[in-house]
Amino acid sequence: DQQVKQNSPSLSVQEGRISILNCDYTNSMFDYFLWYKKYPAEGPTFLISISSIKDKNEDGRFTVFLNKSAKHLSLHIVPSQPGDSAVYFCAASLTGNQFYFGTGTSLTVIP
Amino acid sequence: NAGVTQTPKFRVLKTGQSMTLLCAQDMNHEYMYWYRQDPGMGLRLIHYSVGEGTTAKGEVPDGYNVSRLKKQNFLLGLESAAPSQTSVYFCASSYRAGYGYTFGSGTRLTVV
Repeated sequence: DQQVKQNSPSLSVQEGRISILNCDYTNSMFDYFLWYKKYPAEGPTFLISISSIKDKNEDGRFTVFLNKSAKHLSLHIVPSQPGDSAVYFCAASLTGNQFYFGTGTSLTVIP
Repeated sequence: NAGVTQTPKFRVLKTGQSMTLLCAQDMNHEYMYWYRQDPGMGLRLIHYSVGEGTTAKGEVPDGYNVSRLKKQNFLLGLESAAPSQTSVYFCASSYRAGYGYTFGSGTRLTVV
């Protein structure tokens, strides 16, 4: 049973607009949350993290929001750029060791 | 600054053959991980290590063994390969638990 779900397999956004990628999880005890970006034929690259004591974390154009009561995580990219086109994975963990990954959302930013 | 290096990048095995995947990191990270990625399944943790000489089971450990004899290396072994082990394997390392991982570029394994 998938503990972390990304229900949108793909998303297309115009360059300069906001990209919002969503992630839901089932275990309310998860404390650590990460987002990764993956280009074809490469390993995932760490983007941004958030722990359960926060509800928002920003790093440049990337902001992650955590709604613990809804067990929902989202990644906002503003403004979106063509180089952001990739597959985005969210991941969640109880202890910070065993992370459960979602199935990914493929983002296409249209110039 | 190599980061995490995986060898080999591609391999085709026959059912029942054995092989070892090597992961090496040069960042002095304590934690190392082996994941597999299958279509529609996301990444799933096979085994991990929290330091030299330690190993622990992840979500899908059956059919795999691991060793961490040196801090910089984490080996993943398949003793008797099965077609269900056809996958892309990623190694990763991190400074400590909860921190973002640095991933290798992956090993594409096909078992026929």
